[in-house]
Amino acid sequence: DTAVSQTPKYLVTQMGNDKSIKCEQNLGHDTMYWYKQDSKKFLKIMFSYNNKELIINETVPNRFSPKSPDKAHLNLHINSLELGDSAVYFCASSQGRSVDTQYFGPGTRLTVL
Amino acid sequence: AQTVTQSQPEMSVQEAETVTLSCTYDTSESNYYLFWYKQPPSRQMILVIRQEAYKQQNATENRFSVNFQKAAKSFSLKISDSQLGDTAMYFCAFVYTGANSKLTFGKGITLSVRP
Repeated sequence: DTAVSQTPKYLVTQMGNDKSIKCEQNLGHDTMYWYKQDSKKFLKIMFSYNNKELIINETVPNRFSPKSPDKAHLNLHINSLELGDSAVYFCASSQGRSVDTQYFGPGTRLTVL
Repeated sequence: AQTVTQSQPEMSVQEAETVTLSCTYDTSESNYYLFWYKQPPSRQMILVIRQEAYKQQNATENRFSVNFQKAAKSFSLKISDSQLGDTAMYFCAFVYTGANSKLTFGKGITLSVRP
């Protein structure tokens, strides 16, 4: 059983399109995260939700909108995709706050052409 | 603001030997946690080891151990008896215990284990 799953694993799309990445965790955790890993492998947090409430919102273009329908799911919707959005996006979850060990999904490689 | 520095971009080690990966951090906080994560070519991020700053004892997980020097703000990872499967990028990460704190990663180090 996959603890944190993401779909799709690969996403290739044209500039200007809108796309979504879905994340689900079956660990019973309260907190979920979205991270972006750029081409230099640098990992940076984008958003964090605790029990469906947004608690961390980094300086991210408002074309990115997270949605948490319940505490087991956290989706990321991206509008008007740009070339610079090409990256690997990781979903993660933890039992409680950020100090708790975070478990990562397999990542979604987004390529914008 | 917290910063995590991994100054070595790449390292290489012979199979069965020991290697140490360096990490330093900068913070004014006194209560925090440090992590090492491994990212193999499969891309999956895997927790290697976790250290609570208030614990003086260095954390260990099988072949992996840390040398945590709080005063020097240093958190190095030692891998003993290196195996080919240890080939990966290794990320050092820091988070303090404040409300809504976030995990801050270093730039990572690429470790290659040679047969």
